[in-house]
Amino acid sequence: QSVLTQPPSVSAAPGQKVTISCSGSSSTFGNNYVSWYQQLPGTAPKVLIYDNNKRPSGIPDRFSGSKSGTSATLGITGLQTGDEADYYCGTWSSSLKIYVFGTGTKVTVL
Amino acid sequence: EVQLVESGGGLVQPGGSLRLSCAASGFTFSTYEMNWVRQAPGKGLEWVSQISDSGSTIYYGDSVKGRFTISRDNAKNSLYLQMNSLRAEDAAVYYCARSYCSSASCYRDLWGQGTLVTVST
Repeated sequence: QSVLTQPPSVSAAPGQKVTISCSGSSSTFGNNYVSWYQQLPGTAPKVLIYDNNKRPSGIPDRFSGSKSGTSATLGITGLQTGDEADYYCGTWSSSLKIYVFGTGTKVTVL
Repeated sequence: EVQLVESGGGLVQPGGSLRLSCAASGFTFSTYEMNWVRQAPGKGLEWVSQISDSGSTIYYGDSVKGRFTISRDNAKNSLYLQMNSLRAEDAAVYYCARSYCSSASCYRDLWGQGTLVTVST
């Protein structure tokens, strides 16, 4: 099954910025849109970004997304201790007819 | 309150079967695609299956194809996952998730709390 590759972990001090990359193949990404999910410890995932760069209501603008070709990026600015979580990208592959999640990235606030 | 509540998890022996349920409330269940997503202990998210709002279109991940069956009962606002021929690697927390479709794409916007499936002798 296709995968989207993310770095296992990223870290930064409070108030700083982190970026998380998500890369895949053309058959997985293609022209498909990317979503990003946050999973706080012991809880279900929550969507942060959809359609590559849109935020659902209630998600602060500290979270941003972008996509170019076969890679996508999640940015978190003004890092807070409450942002410590696992983050996953995800996309529907219209060619493979499957939904693919990224390998996940653990964000640590130093 | 808009929510999804999974049930049916538990301990099952390898080769056994289990049926998971997901009860939806607070929204018009029959108008949304629904999904099952699982997470093995300490591991990442893995999409399992998706069913269209009417139930007419279904997709599965390669790891469960031929063993798992997704279904829904719109009259009961419920989603199901019939799991047969269970293997140790199927052990995970199983989440029910709703797909919300914007003008461009569909994303998983509402998740249940999950139900734990353990496969062991």
